[in-house]
Amino acid sequence: SQQGEEDPQALSIQEGENATMNCSYKTSINNLQWYRQNSGRGLVHLILIRSNEREKHSGRLRVTLDTSKKSSSLLITASRAADTASYFCATDGLSGGNNRLAFGKGNQVVVIP
Amino acid sequence: DVKVTQSSRYLVKRTGEKVFLECVQDMDHENMFWYRQDPGLGLRLIYFSYDVKMKEKGDIPEGYSVSREKKERFSLILESASTNQTSMYLCASSLIGVATGELFFGEGSRLTVL
Repeated sequence: SQQGEEDPQALSIQEGENATMNCSYKTSINNLQWYRQNSGRGLVHLILIRSNEREKHSGRLRVTLDTSKKSSSLLITASRAADTASYFCATDGLSGGNNRLAFGKGNQVVVIP
Repeated sequence: DVKVTQSSRYLVKRTGEKVFLECVQDMDHENMFWYRQDPGLGLRLIYFSYDVKMKEKGDIPEGYSVSREKKERFSLILESASTNQTSMYLCASSLIGVATGELFFGEGSRLTVL
């Protein structure tokens, strides 16, 4: 069953601005991952945050995880036109069986040059 | 570089045809996955395999079967294609259990069933 659920909104921002998107999930997790998908392409892994971590950084990306609220956020700082893509969160549920990742529906981000 | 290759980027088939979607990874990964992606529905897991000749159903296995005869190759089979199987199909692999690992995706196969 699908766990990761992003706020289902399209986000349009100017280059240089920050972009924030959220993800909520329903059951306990081992970790939460964020992926990016450019139009018509496969998904690319961005960052993984474990259930015992609260915040993680990777370059211009900052991910937070609040297990008490079952939610995560992805912040992209100083956005660039190349950041235009769909962003998905994915969770592996502790009760969902091994080797399964459940993806959210995605959040489309458009960065205007 | 890690690579997952899907044999066909675009396919057009007719209702009732048998369709094979091939996926090959060159990373010696144990786990391989087939997802389908539809607008508004996100990615849904069809089948996955954690070893050669091993497979498990995902969330939407109906109308699909899979084959994993070699570690590097995972095939998705539509025995009798139907129009509701028109979709983007994504193959992925991972080295270890998803509990600690990331998925590597292919570029996708866009299937249209007429």
